[in-house]
Amino acid sequence: DAGVTQSPTHLIKTRGQQVTLRCSPKSGHDTVSWYQQALGQGPQFIFQYYEEEERQRGNFPDRFSGHQFPNYSSELNVNALLLGDSALYLCASTGTGDRETQYFGPGTRLLVL
Amino acid sequence: RKEVEQDPGPFNVPEGATVAFNCTYSNSASQSFFWYRQDCRKEPKLLMSVYSSGNEDGRFTAQLNRASQYISLLIRDSKLSDSATYLCVVGVYGGSQGNLIFGKGTKLSVKP
Repeated sequence: DAGVTQSPTHLIKTRGQQVTLRCSPKSGHDTVSWYQQALGQGPQFIFQYYEEEERQRGNFPDRFSGHQFPNYSSELNVNALLLGDSALYLCASTGTGDRETQYFGPGTRLLVL
Repeated sequence: RKEVEQDPGPFNVPEGATVAFNCTYSNSASQSFFWYRQDCRKEPKLLMSVYSSGNEDGRFTAQLNRASQYISLLIRDSKLSDSATYLCVVGVYGGSQGNLIFGKGTKLSVKP
């Protein structure tokens, strides 16, 4: 039973660049949520995708956008990177039968210089 | 006021000690409650869900008081392997989908 996978594991970018992070949900899951975790903080909800549409969004600017594909995998895109975007980006998935429990992937660690 | 507030920590305790973590949440519409554990540089992993009746899983006991919007986690007979950051989490739902709101986490170090 494959868990949540994310790629890449680490990424270094410079200010102003754009980045795309990828997530494959746990087998049998259809909903993907993205979180940003800055150093020393708890994860913060960015947005959630279900049926290829953004269903909920946290308090993040439009520079953060996403997409969900028919196979339920998802991408997180961040444009015009700022130093403050440096963080661990976590993807979590849920599925029918238990909408409350979210399973997290290992994350992508992004450093913006 | 932060939506989910936890003890700032860190907690440094000897093996075998009993440790209690406290957490309060501000959104009275919160519908589900969890404790997650996060090891250094790893993803959060679900430790246990928290129910109004209280629930226990081995050495771990979680309590929820909806009236005072308070959640707790008790770890008995702590082990070295319990060293981690413990995240208090509430679930808020809109329609059939929900998202999680995390506290900042409390770091626990269990020493020999």
